[in-house]
Order: sequence, then structure tokens, then C-alpha cells
Amino acid sequence: DTTVKQNPRYKLARVGKPVNLICSQTMNHDTMYWYQKKPNQAPKLLLFYYDKILNREADTFEKFQSSRPNNSFCSLYIGSAGLEYSAMYLCASSRGQGNTGQLYFGEGSKLTVL
Amino acid sequence: QQQVRQSPQSLTVWEGETAILNCSYEDSTFDYFPWYHQFPGESPALLIAIRPVSNKKEDGRFTIFFNKREKKFSLHIADSQPGDSATYFCAASYNTGYQNFYFGKGTSLTVIP
Repeated sequence: DTTVKQNPRYKLARVGKPVNLICSQTMNHDTMYWYQKKPNQAPKLLLFYYDKILNREADTFEKFQSSRPNNSFCSLYIGSAGLEYSAMYLCASSRGQGNTGQLYFGEGSKLTVL
Repeated sequence: QQQVRQSPQSLTVWEGETAILNCSYEDSTFDYFPWYHQFPGESPALLIAIRPVSNKKEDGRFTIFFNKREKKFSLHIADSQPGDSATYFCAASYNTGYQNFYFGKGTSLTVIP
């Protein structure tokens, strides 16, 4: 089973409200990633977990939080959603050292902030 | 700063033609260059990838050409089929034990029968 599952698939949120997106994988991958994808823009890496170590990109450091309670699950948390957070959020996973470099993506969570 | 640049944004070819998608990158320490494709309603999936030790990688009708000196790489899709219609993303990453992937904006390919 090489699937990555994301929930919810669609999320409608009000400005200023929190948003929590969930991702799971059963491939025992040690690295899990969150990307933000807006129309006509490249998928933007927000953060990733290598095992229990969280790495956040410098320009999104304070905007997104994440947790990884176990190897299979990873969440993306927005404390106070703004209009600019409307996007598709893609979760992906891969094996770490010695990997083939292949990312396995989920189907995405589409967030609309009103 | 955009690490990976991709062109064209959209491309239309006739069935049987060769589609050429282009990418360039900034950081010469990138050492892994995959192409992902995404069909409507589906998640991106790995298509083909190359490492800088090679300047060409083939997989059936799909070929990556890599130019390390110019920091460019391209995807050639020979004998394009309508089923190849999708969005294609190039990417680059460092091999640091875990991999940060930086993507291009994507090329929307349409193959007309």
C-alpha cells in the first residue's frame, strides 16, 4: 500500500480561526512533508519531519505549526487563518537515508478561507 | 528566490509529436532531479528522475536530458499520446540523508488527438 491519506479533503474556514489538517501514511516512511500549492505557483515546501525532528522553512516559520505523534501521522496547524492561506495543501512522505528520492503525495486538502 | 524555474507554463502538441518541457535551477549543489506528473483529480506521482552523474535518462517514451554546466534539464515525451495530458512538475533536491524538494511551477500539457 503506497497511499498517503489526507483529511479533510476540503476545508472552509473563517478569517482568524484555526485550521488543522491531518496526514497519514502506512509505508513506515521516516520523512513527512507539507507543501502549499496555489494556482500557477510551484508547490512550496512549508516544513518536514525527519523522524521526530521538525524542520521549517525560514519564511513560513511562524505561520505554520506541525506535530508528529507517531511515525504514521503528521498534522499541519494554522493558528489564525488569513485569506492568504487559501490554497491546496499537499502532504508527502519518503524514506530518509538511502532512499530512491521518491515522494509519495496525498490527494491534498483544499483550504478556503473566507 | 525561486530555486527551480520551469517553462513553458502550458504546452499543446499533436498526438505523435515530441513534447519538450524545460527546467533550470540555481543551486549547483542540487544532486537529484525528478519529474512528477499530476492528472486531474489525482496526486502528483514520480515519472522519471536523474542524478548529475548522467546527462541522459530514458524510460520508454520519456527522456530527461541534463546539462550540468548550464544548470538545465528537460523532459522529452516522444510520440505524445492524449493520455499524457497532465501537469508536469520538475524538481530538484539535495541529498542530505533526508531530501528537501524544490519544485517548478509546472507545465500543463495537452495532447490533441
